[in-house]
Amino acid sequence: EAGVVQSPRYKIIEKKQPVAFWCNPISGHNTLYWYRQNLGQGPELLIRYENEEAVDDSQLPKDRFSAERLKGVDSTLKIQPAELGDSAVYLCASRRGQGARETQYFGPGTRLLVL
Amino acid sequence: GENVEQHPSTLSVQEGDSAVIKCTYSDSASNYFPWYKQELGKRPQLIIDIRSNVGEKKDQRIAVTLNKTAKHFSLHITETQPEDSAVYFCAASIRDNFNKFYFGSGTKLNVKP
Repeated sequence: EAGVVQSPRYKIIEKKQPVAFWCNPISGHNTLYWYRQNLGQGPELLIRYENEEAVDDSQLPKDRFSAERLKGVDSTLKIQPAELGDSAVYLCASRRGQGARETQYFGPGTRLLVL
Repeated sequence: GENVEQHPSTLSVQEGDSAVIKCTYSDSASNYFPWYKQELGKRPQLIIDIRSNVGEKKDQRIAVTLNKTAKHFSLHITETQPEDSAVYFCAASIRDNFNKFYFGSGTKLNVKP
């Protein structure tokens, strides 16, 4: 079974520039998560999708962050404009979403550096 | 919402010794507790998990214990090896919303050869 795929793996941009991250979850996984992980900290949820519906985006800074999962499969996370404090690793994860016996699986992450 | 606290933030042990990492949670409705291992520059990977109807679970050198009354759970690694060196995260998931996970802040384990 192929794992969660993310691209790009690394991105360096100047502040105020836009940036986008892409995630392809494991086939058949209905739940998709975007997390932000700062150095030395645990993942913090930005947004969670159940199929194509965003069911939890309370932690997403909506003034500059946006996300979509149009067909309930791939997802894109965008930041516009980026700020210095956005430097972090952005992790995508997916889960089958059918009860308590299913855990989530992480992608390799996109390491973002804003200069 | 749920609050998960993890201790210690760093742990250094000699190869062959045991390592214990502890997490506490606040919401008594939480009933699924996975542990993830994250090596430098790599993705978090599930190493073991436990559900609230079980008090202990073992998988070779790794074990997890859960005390529902005290709302804490722990990861135990025996006979540590240098390849166990990584950051370990605990997490909790709430019964009514299994799809939402709350993470601890991580423990950096260093196993000295």
